[in-house]
Amino acid sequence: DTGVSQDPRHKITKRGQNVTFRCDPISEHNRLYWYRQTLGQGPEFLTYFQNEAQLEKSRLLSDRFSAERPKGSFSTLEIQRTEQGDSAMYLCASTAGRNYGYTFGSGTRLTVV
Amino acid sequence: DQQVKQNSPSLSVQEGRISILNCDYTNSMFDYFLWYKKYPAEGPTFLISISSIKDKNEDGRFTVFLNKSAKHLSLHIVPSQPGDSAVYFCAASAITGTASKLTFGTGTRLQVTL
Repeated sequence: DTGVSQDPRHKITKRGQNVTFRCDPISEHNRLYWYRQTLGQGPEFLTYFQNEAQLEKSRLLSDRFSAERPKGSFSTLEIQRTEQGDSAMYLCASTAGRNYGYTFGSGTRLTVV
Repeated sequence: DQQVKQNSPSLSVQEGRISILNCDYTNSMFDYFLWYKKYPAEGPTFLISISSIKDKNEDGRFTVFLNKSAKHLSLHIVPSQPGDSAVYFCAASAITGTASKLTFGTGTRLQVTL
């Protein structure tokens, strides 16, 4: 098991374009989270899946953001009509339960120009 | 509203000495606390955690102390090593909220000097 994998590592896009990120969690982890981190801040919660069900979305997740986790395996995060304020590190994490801490991926760094 | 606060953006400690990183929280519903370490270009790595029913948890060189009445926790690293140089995040979760959803502080950059 190679841990949590995120793809791509870096993405530069023009404002107004759509982007999609992928996360492959640790296989036995049924809980998957997306967080966003901007410069000088800690990670901020975006959304959470338990298996294939999306159970909570932060108000940070505007209508331009959508996340899926088909079949409870990998997850995708799509941002439509990107804005410069979307530039951030997008982190995916998975866990098997509350007391184990998350395993984070290395993140996807998005730059909107 | 910053519910988890790390008021020291940076800390420099000599190798072999103790590093003490502090964290304060405001939400009394938080009942589980974690520390993560982050190197550049990597995701945060889980270090150590503590439940609100305890006041201390130790794992090797790392010890976390929790003072519930003061809503304060600290991470002690003894002895500090150059490889400990990283950004440390404090995080908290509430059992009544989203399962395992974490609220993070802004981080403290630790530099361990030779």
